[in-house]
Amino acid sequence: DGGITQSPKYLFRKEGQNVTLSCEQNLNHDAMYWYRQDPGQGLRLIYYSQIVNDFQKGDIAEGYSVSREKKESFPLTVTSAQKNPTAFYLCASSRGRWGETQYFGPGTRLLVL
Amino acid sequence: AQSVTQLDSHVSVSEGTPVLLRCNYSSSYSPSLFWYVQHPNKGLQLLLKYTSAATLVKGINGFEAEFKKSETSFHLTKPSAHMSDAAEYFCVVSRYGGSQGNLIFGKGTKLSVKP
Repeated sequence: DGGITQSPKYLFRKEGQNVTLSCEQNLNHDAMYWYRQDPGQGLRLIYYSQIVNDFQKGDIAEGYSVSREKKESFPLTVTSAQKNPTAFYLCASSRGRWGETQYFGPGTRLLVL
Repeated sequence: AQSVTQLDSHVSVSEGTPVLLRCNYSSSYSPSLFWYVQHPNKGLQLLLKYTSAATLVKGINGFEAEFKKSETSFHLTKPSAHMSDAAEYFCVVSRYGGSQGNLIFGKGTKLSVKP
């Protein structure tokens, strides 16, 4: 079955710690995206990548970093600079062309200890 | 610039009655518009998509939406609500310009269905 997987489902971060969220897709999509979801705010774009080895900041990139070394993988690191990391994080992918549908993974909930 | 406004943060209906979730959009270009659904602690699932082929778009699970350019609206409807429709619904417009392929999300409408 084609789809997007995210791991872990829940992640706990200690003060000053960097944590990495995994996102893998087997849809052969060129573009991948990371969103943050907070209650009542919809989804906000953190980073996106339209092709391997290239990525762009979204609307709320501060305190986050990404890499895109393989087409299928787009990990997100939440750094210690992100002062309010508690949220639901969603990864998505698409063919990358304008108007194309984005397909979403099941999400990772990040909690701060 | 593109934007999308969901007019109700919460809608409550009784099972078997019609559902109407309202969405207005703003776009300088002919937009692509989507409705996604999210059940608690899950990812988003595409309900339907408008891409100018037809103004009335049919989606999954009996949902449909009508694109009205004169009213800049893309409201989501279903004739008869089912308990399993209880979820959060997002109206989405495709962002045009430098970040092609990106989406702009509304803040969501939570649909409650009473027995």
